[in-house]
Amino acid sequence: NAGVMQNPRHLVRRRGQEARLRCSPMKGHSHVYWYRQLPEEGLKFMVYLQKENIIDESGMPKERFSAEFPKEGPSILRIQQVVRGDSAAYFCASSPLTGTQPQHFGDGTRLSIL
Amino acid sequence: DAKTTQPTSMDCAEGRAANLPCNHSTISGNEYVYWYRQIHSQGPQYIIHGLKNNETNEMASLIITEDRKSSTLILPHATLRDTAVYYCIVTLPRGKLIFGQGTTLQVKP
Repeated sequence: NAGVMQNPRHLVRRRGQEARLRCSPMKGHSHVYWYRQLPEEGLKFMVYLQKENIIDESGMPKERFSAEFPKEGPSILRIQQVVRGDSAAYFCASSPLTGTQPQHFGDGTRLSIL
Repeated sequence: DAKTTQPTSMDCAEGRAANLPCNHSTISGNEYVYWYRQIHSQGPQYIIHGLKNNETNEMASLIITEDRKSSTLILPHATLRDTAVYYCIVTLPRGKLIFGQGTTLQVKP
């Protein structure tokens, strides 16, 4: 019974490159959430998606960041033209469509910008 | 901003019960109390959640006051592996999680 799968676990990019982070939710879960944890800081909500829909993107930076959760395949968090300040741990969580069951988190992707 | 208030840090002796308090005086009627923990920089781990009744699972117990303005997470027999930052979060089901500073629990031998 696989949990939330994130890959890669570690990603190194140079300034100006693009970073693509992938998240496969738990089986049977149709909601995906992305959170970011900057060094020495707490977790911050970024975006909440259902299949093919963005439900809440109130935590997404206005520029360079985008997220999608297509009908088939994993959810993708894309960061264009990365800067040093994007270095962080990015966590994905998933939850089922109905009920009160909690979000379950993946192990995260550690993004380092050179 | 987080809707909960937790002590910054707590210590607990190994083998003893750890009781972690949380105040959520502005909780609304349909919001749940969720507890998570984060060990080092791993992904947050779900512990337990509840609406108004006390809850227990294999990891912990959750005691919610009758007025729902506060709750206590109880780890019955703390081990060194329970050393972590514990987060109390109030939200609607499937709602975004707003993480505060949490309580850093240090379990000591």
